[in-house]
Amino acid sequence: AQSVAQPEDQVNVAEGNPLTVKCTYSVSGNPYLFWYVQYPNRGLQFLLKYITGDNLVKGSYGFEAEFNKSQTSFHLKKPSALVSDSALYFCAVSRSGGYQKVTFGTGTKLQVIP
Amino acid sequence: NAGVTQTPKFQVLKTGQSMTLQCAQDMNHEYMSWYRQDPGMGLRLIHYSVGAGITDQGEVPNGYNVSRSTTEDFPLRLLSAAPSQTSVYFCASRDGQGNQPQHFGDGTRLSIL
Repeated sequence: AQSVAQPEDQVNVAEGNPLTVKCTYSVSGNPYLFWYVQYPNRGLQFLLKYITGDNLVKGSYGFEAEFNKSQTSFHLKKPSALVSDSALYFCAVSRSGGYQKVTFGTGTKLQVIP
Repeated sequence: NAGVTQTPKFQVLKTGQSMTLQCAQDMNHEYMSWYRQDPGMGLRLIHYSVGAGITDQGEVPNGYNVSRSTTEDFPLRLLSAAPSQTSVYFCASRDGQGNQPQHFGDGTRLSIL
């Protein structure tokens, strides 16, 4: 069975400061990892993914994430937070190969304080 | 392109009623799925489909039924609504296999009284 843990229900950060949203995963075989963002009353929007290759992946809106195989982590980062980054963030994992199901974490609410 | 369209956006049902949540995508995606989102529980997979005529169960399939007669449409049926099915339901689709991101609709907010 595969799983995703997002250990923080909420992360508060001051505008202009760097932000990190944590994610660890468990899956057999090679993982596909994703970050999504959800704004109020909207569906999830794709931010970035790790499939293979460079451990540091860059995505939309200045976000990036680092894949760490030994720690089974895929933390989301941004060098300078904006108030408009305030939203709910989901990490997701699936196993590589074929039409594999995707498992989501419970989500982390990011609050950027002006 | 409209992407993934879900209807209705809101619905209130009484216990025991049945209804169908509609989902349509115009991207010719093979893979479609239904999730429910509950506070503190993230998104849980209800059912998914890898193409027309092919469906399979996810984590929480009980009380729900799906069919996939066309590539575009993937309706979710509640057979006999229960208060425990009060939730926000999301439909998603993706192109090809698991290395592609999913595209989500804006959800159906369902209350069962």
